[in-house]
Amino acid sequence: GAVVSQHPSRVICKSGTSVKIECRSLDFQATTMFWYRQFPKKSLMLMATSNEGSKATYEQGVEKDKFLINHASLTLSTLTVTSAHPEDSSFYICSARAEGGGDTGELFFGEGSRLTVL
Amino acid sequence: GQNIDQPTEMTATEGAIVQINCTYQTSGFNGLFWYQQHAGEAPTFLSYNVLDGLEEKGRFSSFLSRSKGYSYLLLKELQMKDSASYLCAAVDSNYQLIWGAGTKLIIKP
Repeated sequence: GAVVSQHPSRVICKSGTSVKIECRSLDFQATTMFWYRQFPKKSLMLMATSNEGSKATYEQGVEKDKFLINHASLTLSTLTVTSAHPEDSSFYICSARAEGGGDTGELFFGEGSRLTVL
Repeated sequence: GQNIDQPTEMTATEGAIVQINCTYQTSGFNGLFWYQQHAGEAPTFLSYNVLDGLEEKGRFSSFLSRSKGYSYLLLKELQMKDSASYLCAAVDSNYQLIWGAGTKLIIKP
């Protein structure tokens, strides 16, 4: 089946630094990718919808300048957490929708990236 | 507003059957997903229903009633590895996913 690869799986950084997380669709093209943030014992929170070749669509309350999303190709989207602070520590997950299934095509998730900001 | 409700936690015995319910209220409806998520891992796809009725996939089945805004995930012959969180997500008229908070399923020997 379709595979979405996310890297790095774990990252620890110092407060004030920036961290980039990559999301790749390995065997299919994804014009749309989604970035989620998940807190312990809570549901996935959609942060933004990443569209290939255009600007990402951010959900209300998500800081665009802090969470930079780039969808450079049909198989790669990146999330950069700029000037990270301890409150940004979380589990970040990307997903990609397999095309050909219409707007409700199956979503495939990356393995997730656990960010810890010291 | 849009809302998904599912129980926070359920406990079942190995080898038994458990049903996890999900009710939804969305602006428009374009189907409902069930995902399984083990602790510390990303969710994995279980099922997608857009028509009323029951769909069976091995030990897992998913049911949808659009008129009642209701779905359930049925797990048979429970195994210890089925201990996980089960997420229900409805697709609204804008094709956005509205996620439930997840049901933590605990399997006991």
